[in-house]
Amino acid sequence: GDSVTQMEGPVTLSEEAFLTINCTYTATGYPSLFWYVQYPGEGLQLLLKATKADDKGSNKGFEATYRKETTSFHLEKGSVQVSDSAVYFCAPYNYGQNFVFGPGTRLSVLP
Amino acid sequence: NAGVTQTPKFRVLKTGQSMTLLCAQDMNHEYMYWYRQDPGMGLRLIHYSVGEGTTAKGEVPDGYNVSRLKKQNFLLGLESAAPSQTSVYFCASSYHNSGSTEAFFGQGTRLTVV
Repeated sequence: GDSVTQMEGPVTLSEEAFLTINCTYTATGYPSLFWYVQYPGEGLQLLLKATKADDKGSNKGFEATYRKETTSFHLEKGSVQVSDSAVYFCAPYNYGQNFVFGPGTRLSVLP
Repeated sequence: NAGVTQTPKFRVLKTGQSMTLLCAQDMNHEYMYWYRQDPGMGLRLIHYSVGEGTTAKGEVPDGYNVSRLKKQNFLLGLESAAPSQTSVYFCASSYHNSGSTEAFFGQGTRLTVV
């Protein structure tokens, strides 16, 4: 079945540092790719998505590009803020199947 | 527009007790899901439904049952709770439209089985 590998956390950065969270996936067919974010005490919410190769999803300063050749969807942000502290989940999705979530990467941003 | 609402938000059960978690969505979504989240394990799919009256097993279905009698509601039942079912449970719903999709999550139910 589909699966996701995310870089292990926790990731601790200082405010304004550059962020990369790696995500690679194994999936049949041609999945859509998602990044979800979970703030403390809350459910998951969509951060960004991409539906085809070379598409770039972006939101709130975060970006990720759908790389079919490397089956990757790495999350980046040029300058993190304390408010970005959360757990980030990468998830491929194939139509008619289910979202498959990785283990999540916890990010802590220090002032 | 409430989105996905889970009831209750917290619950403590004794081993062997039963309970039902309710998930309600007001977005007219066909797909609904129940996940559990445990430390270091990410989200694992328990059961899901692709429409009213249909359910299917996910990755970790043992010890749980579900029902989808109405399109907007998805119930998760624990017949005889065990300490291993201590977890945070999340319900989600999703739409699928011309190749586009997105899952919407509830706020979670924290269940402790003692």
